Amino acid sequence: DAGVIQSPRHEVTEMGQEVTLRCKPISGHNSLFWYRQTMMRGLELLIYFNNNVPIDDSGMPEDRFSAKMPNASFSTLKIQPSEPRDSAVYFCASSFGGQTMTRTTYGYTFGSGTRLTVV
Amino acid sequence: QKEVEQNSGPLSVPEGAIASLNCTYSDRGSQSFFWYRQYSGKSPELIMFIYSNGDKEDGRFTAQLNKASQYVSLLIRDSQPSDSATYLCAVQSPGGYNKLIFGAGTRLAVHP
Repeated sequence: DAGVIQSPRHEVTEMGQEVTLRCKPISGHNSLFWYRQTMMRGLELLIYFNNNVPIDDSGMPEDRFSAKMPNASFSTLKIQPSEPRDSAVYFCASSFGGQTMTRTTYGYTFGSGTRLTVV
Repeated sequence: QKEVEQNSGPLSVPEGAIASLNCTYSDRGSQSFFWYRQYSGKSPELIMFIYSNGDKEDGRFTAQLNKASQYVSLLIRDSQPSDSATYLCAVQSPGGYNKLIFGAGTRLAVHP
């Protein structure tokens, strides 16, 4: 298995531009998570999907952020317009999960991340 | 109070020693606990999980869980310089869906 695939690996953009990050989860995983990591705030959960449905987007910082999962093999995280404070590493992770899963032995598999720099 | 707390470190240990990494969590309903290792510039990788009180061993790693004290730890025996990384504690949120809450991580430095 190729693992969780994210693209691009690096993105440098100017303030005000639209940025789209992409993620392909591991085949068969039904849960997908978007995280942002900075030195100051660590790993923050932005949004997660279960069976392609957004379950909790309370971590999305502002309306400038949006995420979609049109099918089981693809998800996007979009920032429009981008700001310098959005600079971070954005990770996508996938796993198994479900509403009744109160105890899990399934950890996450993370993608390699997208390092976003907004200048 | 943060949901998952870790000492940021750095924790410095000599090669061959035991490194002890600690984590506390706030939600008593949490059932599953994970340890991830993250090398600088890389993504987190899963190294251990535990959900029963007590110890769980895997090679040089031992995870310890005490639900009454809301405490989970990771011991690394015979520490090697290649173990130098940030170790992230993750706790499953009781709300289902396999949602994990991560601590800020402890940076471990193993010196020869």
